[in-house]
Amino acid sequence: DQQVKQNSPSLSVQEGRISILNCDYTNSMFDYFLWYKKYPAEGPTFLISISSIKDKNEDGRFTVFLNKSAKHLSLHIVPSQPGDSAVYFCAASALGYGKLTFGQGTILTVHP
Amino acid sequence: DGGITQSPKYLFRKEGQNVTLSCEQNLNHDAMYWYRQDPGQGLRLIYYSQIVNDFQKGDIAEGYSVSREKKESFPLTVTSAQKNPTAFYLCASSRGGGGQPQHFGDGTRLSIL
Repeated sequence: DQQVKQNSPSLSVQEGRISILNCDYTNSMFDYFLWYKKYPAEGPTFLISISSIKDKNEDGRFTVFLNKSAKHLSLHIVPSQPGDSAVYFCAASALGYGKLTFGQGTILTVHP
Repeated sequence: DGGITQSPKYLFRKEGQNVTLSCEQNLNHDAMYWYRQDPGQGLRLIYYSQIVNDFQKGDIAEGYSVSREKKESFPLTVTSAQKNPTAFYLCASSRGGGGQPQHFGDGTRLSIL
C-alpha cells in the first residue's frame, strides 16, 4: 500500500520558469512533510519541510504548499536552474515518530 | 565537519555470504535509519533505532539485521536469507522523535557476484 505517491515520474522545465512537483498521501496520521533532492549515486539532501499546522513554507527559491483536506502537497521552485536537475522525493511522518515514508520520486530536468 | 559516513561505496557479495555495511555519524543524533533504494523506486525503511541498544523493524526487515551498541554507529548486515540483496543502501540520522529532518550518507551499492 503506497501511502505517499508521486504520480509524475518525470518533469521537464525551461530554465527560469517555475517547476511544480506534486505529492499525494493517504495516511491521515501524517503531519510532517519533507522534500529531498537526490543526485545519482549520492544520498538525498534535505530541502524543505512543513508541518500540518501550516499551509505554506518558503526557503529562498523553494516553497512547499500543503492542502490537508486534499492530502496533497507540492514543491515550487522559482526560478528553475539547470543545477536543480535531480530526483525529488517527498516524504511524510507522524509527529512523535521519526520514521519517514517516501514517495517514488520525480525526475526533474531543467533545460538551459 | 559533521556528517554521516557510509563505507564502502561499492560492495560485492558472493551467493550465500553475509555482508556488513558500515554507518557512522558524528552529528550527535539519537536516531539512525537504514533504507534501501531500488531502480525507479523510493526509499524503503529496513530498520531504525531511536536510542542506543534499541532498534525496530521497518517495512522490509526480512533478511537483514542491525545493532546499535554505540550512539555513533549503526551497522547493517545483509544475510544470506535476503533473496534479492542487490540495491543501493542508504543510512540516515536525525535528532529523534518527530518533526526532524533526516540527514543521509552517500550510500553503499551492493552487488551479487
